[in-house]
Amino acid sequence: ETGVTQSPTHLIKTRGQQVTLRCSSQSGHNTVSWYQQALGQGPQFIFQYYREEENGRGNFPPRFSGLQFPNYSSELNVNALELDDSALYLCATSGIGNTEAFFGQGTRLTVV
Amino acid sequence: AQTVTQSQPEMSVQEAETVTLSCTYDTSESNYYLFWYKQPPSRQMILVIRQEAYKQQNATENRFSVNFQKAAKSFSLKISDSQLGDTAMYFCAFYAPNYGGATNKLIFGTGTLLAVQP
Repeated sequence: ETGVTQSPTHLIKTRGQQVTLRCSSQSGHNTVSWYQQALGQGPQFIFQYYREEENGRGNFPPRFSGLQFPNYSSELNVNALELDDSALYLCATSGIGNTEAFFGQGTRLTVV
Repeated sequence: AQTVTQSQPEMSVQEAETVTLSCTYDTSESNYYLFWYKQPPSRQMILVIRQEAYKQQNATENRFSVNFQKAAKSFSLKISDSQLGDTAMYFCAFYAPNYGGATNKLIFGTGTLLAVQP
């Protein structure tokens, strides 16, 4: 167990809807990153938050947005869901400058 | 752009045997880190081993060791005395502190599914 918890574990949404995924950080970790892992692929970096501000973004459209709270927990929001958004969403936390990232167990999102 | 390539989609090994998973990468950075992560059916990504590019010595963690060939940009994982619990997806990942503006951005390969047979 890494101390990083994601909720919910599974989710089914309809195309066009909005979804919010949550991640609680391991104690002392002030940086959180989100990744999208499509079936049979490696995780792709979505964005990272540090001290409540976005600190880097991958090649994802603006309908993917996030928040980080003062307790370092985080949310990933996806608007106008598309079928291709179906994937495992992973969050990873770390201390700033620390090369080791600790992953949660992921949220499996299915868009129908 | 940084890329990570894993050319073995699936591998199989007998229990107690040794297996090597391959990974190559491409980068122009001089300061970077390489990782092997294990993802079992539980989905949680677990760090297996880490290698700093500036270190000549290959990293070792118990039954896991790497063969880091910096000039060839190769980073293979050797698992000795394979156990049933090693069955999982294995991802090679790259991280460069100065790349892309994000401190902990990991770039992953497509993974190798390892099956340990009894």
